[in-house]
Amino acid sequence: ETGVTQTPRHLVMGMTNKKSLKCEQHLGHNAMYWYKQSAKKPLELMFVYSLEERVENNSVPSRFSPECPNSSHLFLHLHTLQPEDSALYLCASSQDLQGAMDTIYFGEGSWLTVV
Amino acid sequence: AQSVAQPEDQVNVAEGNPLTVKCTYSVSGNPYLFWYVQYPNRGLQFLLKYITGDNLVKGSYGFEAEFNKSQTSFHLKKPSALVSDSALYFCAVRDMRNYGQNFVFGPGTRLSVLP
Repeated sequence: ETGVTQTPRHLVMGMTNKKSLKCEQHLGHNAMYWYKQSAKKPLELMFVYSLEERVENNSVPSRFSPECPNSSHLFLHLHTLQPEDSALYLCASSQDLQGAMDTIYFGEGSWLTVV
Repeated sequence: AQSVAQPEDQVNVAEGNPLTVKCTYSVSGNPYLFWYVQYPNRGLQFLLKYITGDNLVKGSYGFEAEFNKSQTSFHLKKPSALVSDSALYFCAVRDMRNYGQNFVFGPGTRLSVLP
């Protein structure tokens, strides 16, 4: 148990579908992140939220739409995805963005397959 | 910009032998360094971190890491490897000058422990 819970763990969707990934952290943290992990590629930071405000959008295509309704929940809304978007999507949280001693904690990830 | 290098894509070691997974970093200012492990089909799990103090940091599952300022290295070590240590290992540095993207991850090193 990591303190960061992601659902669903596995998702298969067609290119015309709309789906959402959900993340919930039980650690009382103020910052939340979405990362993409593809085979043979480094971790890619997608979005960063601090106190429900987006502070980073790392040139992510608009077919990925994040939402942070409160500091415990983070969503990634998906629509009209491409097969190359198939990857492991990791949610993470940390206490703050400016605390030097903070550690970032990850969820178990959501495996997305776009067909 | 801060950066992390993991010079080995793959490390193979026999069970019972000591293991080392290498990491070098480039930072301006004080380095805040982390190691994470990713088992198959799982998220990243925090192993240990160096913020300040003793150069030898002890972490989870019997792992430790040695901070060497002159060599700008933070190698992960374990005295006796287990087959269950086989996983993907990530080194990370905290870039306190970059508000949003302030956890910078290395590309990962795959450790295989052979029985």
